Amino acid sequence: DQQVKQNSPSLSVQEGRISILNCDYTNSMFDYFLWYKKYPAEGPTFLISISSIKDKNEDGRFTVFLNKSAKHLSLHIVPSQPGDSAVYFCAASAEGFQKLVFGTGTRLLVSP
Amino acid sequence: DTGVSQNPRHKITKRGQNVTFRCDPISEHNRLYWYRQTLGQGPEFLTYFQNEAQLEKSRLLSDRFSAERPKGSFSTLEIQRTEQGDSAMYLCASSWDPDTQYFGPGTRLLVL
Repeated sequence: DQQVKQNSPSLSVQEGRISILNCDYTNSMFDYFLWYKKYPAEGPTFLISISSIKDKNEDGRFTVFLNKSAKHLSLHIVPSQPGDSAVYFCAASAEGFQKLVFGTGTRLLVSP
Repeated sequence: DTGVSQNPRHKITKRGQNVTFRCDPISEHNRLYWYRQTLGQGPEFLTYFQNEAQLEKSRLLSDRFSAERPKGSFSTLEIQRTEQGDSAMYLCASSWDPDTQYFGPGTRLLVL
């Protein structure tokens, strides 16, 4: 049972344009969501998070939007840069639980 | 302190052998987590420590797996009688608050 889903395995964007990565979840107990970025042969790097009491969180070029009624969140990267090319993972946790539940990732390729 | 460190970075072993991995968390973090990632999947939770106490174990953690954090600082993950299905990236993460986890570079295990 995949509780966190990233239905797009890959995304290609031109440098300077917006990248939008999507994530859906099924467990209504999830109340904290995170995005991680991963390069090959490295561990995931924390990017940005959002609590369920918010619908938007912004940090520089990265913005995460949360739609609780749709159980959907998205990560916007504006403007996209070639160095953003990596695999992006969405993760979720529920209050009182320590583990993160990850999606399967979306590979982003930003071309010059 | 530059972050979570893991050793070794790579391990090749023959089926049936025992292996041990080490994780050194960020120094002020009291929570430490182990995850496993296989190709095309997101990280999957294995186990979690708060200080030296192991508080949660996934059903993925069979009897052949054991983890310790004896003094509440570094942790070890041992796999006994390795099987080819154990081949994966083993990731360690640490945190102070319960939700934002910072990952190490991982140990890639190949069982021949």
